[in-house]
Amino acid sequence: QQQVKQSPQSLIVQKGGISIINCAYENTAFDYFPWYQQFPGKGPALLIAIRPDVSEKKEGRFTISFNKSAKQFSLHIMDSQPGDSATYFCAAGSSGNTPLVFGKGTRLSVIA
Amino acid sequence: NAGVTQTPKFRVLKTGQSMTLLCAQDMNHEYMYWYRQDPGMGLRLIHYSVGEGTTAKGEVPDGYNVSRLKKQNFLLGLESAAPSQTSVYFCASTPRGNTEAFFGQGTRLTVV
Repeated sequence: QQQVKQSPQSLIVQKGGISIINCAYENTAFDYFPWYQQFPGKGPALLIAIRPDVSEKKEGRFTISFNKSAKQFSLHIMDSQPGDSATYFCAAGSSGNTPLVFGKGTRLSVIA
Repeated sequence: NAGVTQTPKFRVLKTGQSMTLLCAQDMNHEYMYWYRQDPGMGLRLIHYSVGEGTTAKGEVPDGYNVSRLKKQNFLLGLESAAPSQTSVYFCASTPRGNTEAFFGQGTRLTVV
């Protein structure tokens, strides 16, 4: 049932650098692509989400880029900060009686 | 507004014991999910429900049962706990399959 492939599994970025996490999906019925952020000991929380009618969405330092033809989407974190160190999950969802599907996660460490 | 509440937060079981994890949401969401999170494995879907009285198997359903007798509650049962079920369990809810998921704070279960 794993239909969303996420990479890399882990990422180390210097403070102030750009963090990039990629996801690819197979099911063309997906019409909702969120990213979740999880800190240790906490549940995942929605960070930013995009729908396929736009190719990019930006919220502060966080940007989703979406390529419908390639069936790929990515999260860019600009000016990465140590406080961004967390696990990030991409996901995909569709209308109808199907569950939200998650990628396996990326552990991001931002070092000073 | 409590969101999604999981009970208990921590539990230690002996092999062969049974227990029920309770998830309650106060957002009138139709969809509810149970995930388990293990190191390096991401969020794996155990069972989900698309409405009161319905349940469906996810990616890793073996050894677990669920019930959704009331819209606001989703119960996860372990009939005979095994050490392989040691994990952190997360409950989530969404209005539909392609909308924001709200997660509980997690239940850390250890089976010895």
